Amino acid sequence: DSGVTQTPKHLITATGQRVTLRCSPRSGDLSVYWYQQSLDQGLQFLIQYYNGEERAKGNILERFSAQQFPDLHSELNLSSLELGDSALYFCASSDPGTGSDEQFFGPGTRLTVL
Amino acid sequence: AQSVAQPEDQVNVAEGNPLTVKCTYSVSGNPYLFWYVQYPNRGLQFLLKYITGDNLVKGSYGFEAEFNKSQTSFHLKKPSALVSDSALYFCAVRVRTGANNLFFGTGTRLTVIP
Repeated sequence: DSGVTQTPKHLITATGQRVTLRCSPRSGDLSVYWYQQSLDQGLQFLIQYYNGEERAKGNILERFSAQQFPDLHSELNLSSLELGDSALYFCASSDPGTGSDEQFFGPGTRLTVL
Repeated sequence: AQSVAQPEDQVNVAEGNPLTVKCTYSVSGNPYLFWYVQYPNRGLQFLLKYITGDNLVKGSYGFEAEFNKSQTSFHLKKPSALVSDSALYFCAVRVRTGANNLFFGTGTRLTVIP
């Protein structure tokens, strides 16, 4: 158990809909990362937040957005969903301030868009 | 730009034999290198990392990896494979400065045959 929790585990929805994925980082970790794992594109970095502020952006679509709240949990919002958005979405956390570099991954949310 | 290549989609090895999972990288400057493992329906688990120092890095579950700067490689190895090592293995790289998100390879599925 990495200490990172994600809800829900599974999500099935229809095209055009909007969903919110939630992540709680390990206790004390200030950084949260979102990754998308799909069959055709592999594991891709979407976005990073550090202590409530956006730190880095990767291949995140404009239809997607994220935020990190004062209690450090994070939400990834996916809107106008398309079939191609079906994927496993991972959240990871780390605490760069400790000098430790590894990211700890949650179990993921499997999104299926029908 | 950073990139990681895992040239083998699939590696099969007999139980008890040594295993190698290959990884090469491309990054500006000196990299941080990581190996993660993903078991079915689970998130990614950290195995080991190279930051600096000794080129041979030892990690969890008896795995080790050798950093080779001249060949820009970071191959994962284990002297004696177990059936329970069967999983999907990801090599990842990040730069030392700036954003610390990970760039992942496409993954190598390791199957250990009893």
